[in-house]
Formats: sequence, C-alpha cells, structure tokens
Amino acid sequence: GAVVSQHPSRVICKSGTSVKIECRSLDFQATTMFWYRQFPKQSLMLMATSNEGSKATYEQGVEKDKFLINHASLTLSTLTVTSAHPEDSSFYICSASGGPSYNEQFFGPGTRLTVL
Amino acid sequence: GNSVTQMEGPVTLSEEAFLTINCTYTATGYPSLFWYVQYPGEGLQLLLKATKADDKGSNKGFEATYRKETTSFHLEKGSVQVSDSAVYFCALSRGGGSNYKLTFGKGTLLTVNP
Repeated sequence: GAVVSQHPSRVICKSGTSVKIECRSLDFQATTMFWYRQFPKQSLMLMATSNEGSKATYEQGVEKDKFLINHASLTLSTLTVTSAHPEDSSFYICSASGGPSYNEQFFGPGTRLTVL
Repeated sequence: GNSVTQMEGPVTLSEEAFLTINCTYTATGYPSLFWYVQYPGEGLQLLLKATKADDKGSNKGFEATYRKETTSFHLEKGSVQVSDSAVYFCALSRGGGSNYKLTFGKGTLLTVNP
C-alpha cells in the first residue's frame, strides 16, 4: 500500500529557534500534501494544502510566515516552524494524495514538537 | 461550515463485545463520509468509507451506514478483538479530486481487554 513517512518523530527545541519537519511519500508520487495539527484530545485541524511546485494554500487563521511549507518534489514536503514558541508545541501530521487511490489521503505517523 | 461530532471516549470493552461509536455530521450538500483508525505509534489508516446516502462501508468486520435523514455514520462491530484497540476518527470530505479536504471528529479511544 501507499506509505508516508515523517521525520523526525519527536523534536524538542528552544523558544525562538526554527524546526523543520519532513513528509515523504515512499512508494507513490504525491501531487497534493496536507499538513494537520492535533492538540491533546482534539481533532486534526487542517493547516494547509500544498501542490507540488505551487505555493501552499493556508487555512484561515494559520500564519503562513510562521509555518513555512515547501513541496518541491512529488515525494517530499517540508513544514518549517519559524521562531517557535511554547504555544506551537503540538502533534503535526502530514498526509499525501495522488497515489493508487487519487482521492484518498495517506497519513504519516506524526511528529511531536515540544518547544521549551 | 462543516463539522463532525463523535462519541467521546475512552471506550473500554471486553473481547467479543459489541461496539458502537456514534458519529453525526453537519455539512452542505452531499459529503463523503469516512472512518479512520490510528493504532499506537502509527499514522491514520482509512478503515471504511461511504460516498452517498444509504451506502454501507465495511472492512475488517467494521460497518457504518451513511444515513442522510439522521446525518449519521455510526461505526459498529459485532465482536471486538484486543487488536482493535486504537483511536477511531470519523471524518467527512467535500470537494473533488486530490484537493478534497477532510474535516475530522475529535477521535474516540477504544481499549479492548482480553
């Protein structure tokens, strides 16, 4: 089946630093990738949608200058949290579509970000 | 806007018990409905889906029927196993192609004891 990986699985950083999270589709070409954020006991909230080679489309309320998304190839998208603050601590999940079932999203295992 | 409300957990059952996790939705038009499952340490996996009213999605013994009249998509399984322990998410989508967006419920943690 379609596999999506994320790296790192966990990251701890100091306030004010930037953190990059990678999302890779391992066995299919992902024309679209999605980034979600999940708070404890909350649902997944869509942050942005990115198409390969295009600028990401951000959901209302998501700061595009803080959460930089790059989708430079059909197998890799990155989310960079710039000038991280403790309130950015969360679980970030990516998904990818464009594989065997074009209208199905395949999810990565998530990245736990803790900002001290 | 679109929203999904699902039964809050956690739910704890004994092996071979009957499972129901309620899910209701609010959306304009005719959304597609999904159940995703997240096993510990893994990403979300599509469990089943239904794309139109009265459709029944089924997989691995789980079933859910798209009920437009009650705007519901309840998940059921007749006999749960320990291996079914996971978090279950109800979701809906609007739009088409690879750019469709998912709206998720909060998730329900299921623990099945031997």
